[in-house]
Amino acid sequence: GQQVMQIPQYQHVQEGEDFTTYCNSSTTLSNIQWYKQRPGGHPVFLIQLVKSGEVKKQKRLTFQFGEAKKNSSLHITATQTTDVGTYFCAGRERGSTLGRLYFGRGTQLTVWP
Amino acid sequence: NAGVTQTPKFQVLKTGQSMTLQCAQDMNHEYMSWYRQDPGMGLRLIHYSVGAGITDQGEVPNGYNVSRSTTEDFPLRLLSAAPSQTSVYFCASIDPGRGTDTQYFGPGTRLTVL
Repeated sequence: GQQVMQIPQYQHVQEGEDFTTYCNSSTTLSNIQWYKQRPGGHPVFLIQLVKSGEVKKQKRLTFQFGEAKKNSSLHITATQTTDVGTYFCAGRERGSTLGRLYFGRGTQLTVWP
Repeated sequence: NAGVTQTPKFQVLKTGQSMTLQCAQDMNHEYMSWYRQDPGMGLRLIHYSVGAGITDQGEVPNGYNVSRSTTEDFPLRLLSAAPSQTSVYFCASIDPGRGTDTQYFGPGTRLTVL
């Protein structure tokens, strides 16, 4: 079955440093999504990538989808304390049912002021 | 719109007890899902539904039952609770009309099985 691996599991940075989390799938994906979960909260949708090689930006966040549609990354420039939380990638295998997503284990980001 | 609502927020069960976790959405979404979240494990799909009367199994369906009699409601039943089912449970709905798999999550139910 499909597996989605995400690294690192934890990342501690000082405010102002950059942060990157990586996601790799064992199978080709139809799309990949990124979610953020604040401590004690629920996952909140950030973005979806669909096209091979796609790059999208949201202010200080940059999302990439690999050419083979098997890997993705989220990069945060100049982290702020408001970026604290766990970031998850989630992918749907090509040809599978809409909504059948496989989540990575997440990267827990801590930002020191 | 209230979005996706879940009740209860917290629950403690004894081994062998049964209970139903409630999930409702008022966005008229056809697709709904149940996930469990365990420390360091991310979210794992338990069951999902593509519309009223249609359900299917996800990654970890054992010990759980679902039904979907209406578009709005998607309850999750624990048949005989076990300590391994201690987890945080999230319900989510999807609006495929937006052309994405965007999942709208509820606030979660924190379940402890003693």
